[in-house]
Amino acid sequence: DAGVIQSPRHEVTEMGQEVTLRCKPISGHNSLFWYRQTMMRGLELLIYFNNNVPIDDSGMPEDRFSAKMPNASFSTLKIQPSEPRDSAVYFCASSGPGQGAYEQYFGPGTRLTVT
Amino acid sequence: AQSVAQPEDQVNVAEGNPLTVKCTYSVSGNPYLFWYVQYPNRGLQFLLKYITGDNLVKGSYGFEAEFNKSQTSFHLKKPSALVSDSALYFCAVRDTRGTGGFKTIFGAGTRLFVKA
Repeated sequence: DAGVIQSPRHEVTEMGQEVTLRCKPISGHNSLFWYRQTMMRGLELLIYFNNNVPIDDSGMPEDRFSAKMPNASFSTLKIQPSEPRDSAVYFCASSGPGQGAYEQYFGPGTRLTVT
Repeated sequence: AQSVAQPEDQVNVAEGNPLTVKCTYSVSGNPYLFWYVQYPNRGLQFLLKYITGDNLVKGSYGFEAEFNKSQTSFHLKKPSALVSDSALYFCAVRDTRGTGGFKTIFGAGTRLFVKA
């Protein structure tokens, strides 16, 4: 298996622009997580899905952030408009299936820089 | 609410010496506990987990962890450290009760430096 795939790996954009991050989970996994990592705040859970349904989005910073999972093999995290404080590494992770105590498998991350 | 604490920001150890990275947790039910490792410019990698059974669990790269229910701890250990073990280590916990679904809480991370 190729593991969790994220694209792009690096994104540099100007403040105010729309940014879309993409994730393909491991085939067969039914839970998907979006995290953000910064030096100041560490690793933060933004949102997670189970069977393509958002379960908890309490970590989404504000309305500028949105996430979708239209099917079991694809998810997006969108920031519109982007701001310099959104600069971070964004990770996607997947786990499952079922309600077992499954570990999460992380993608390589997308390093976002907003200037 | 569930939480995880990693009391040490950094651990320094000489190559060949045993290492311990500490973790304590708080959950309302029985915990599922995990350790992950992150190398520079990489995503987190799963090392090991405790679900039930033997309190000493073994994982990847020679790491092991000991679950202590009375002390609510889950410390990561390795008998003989390698320079290549230098990385950022995260402890994580998932509650088995409530409506949190599959939400896992991660600690702040402990940076391990192994000196040759």
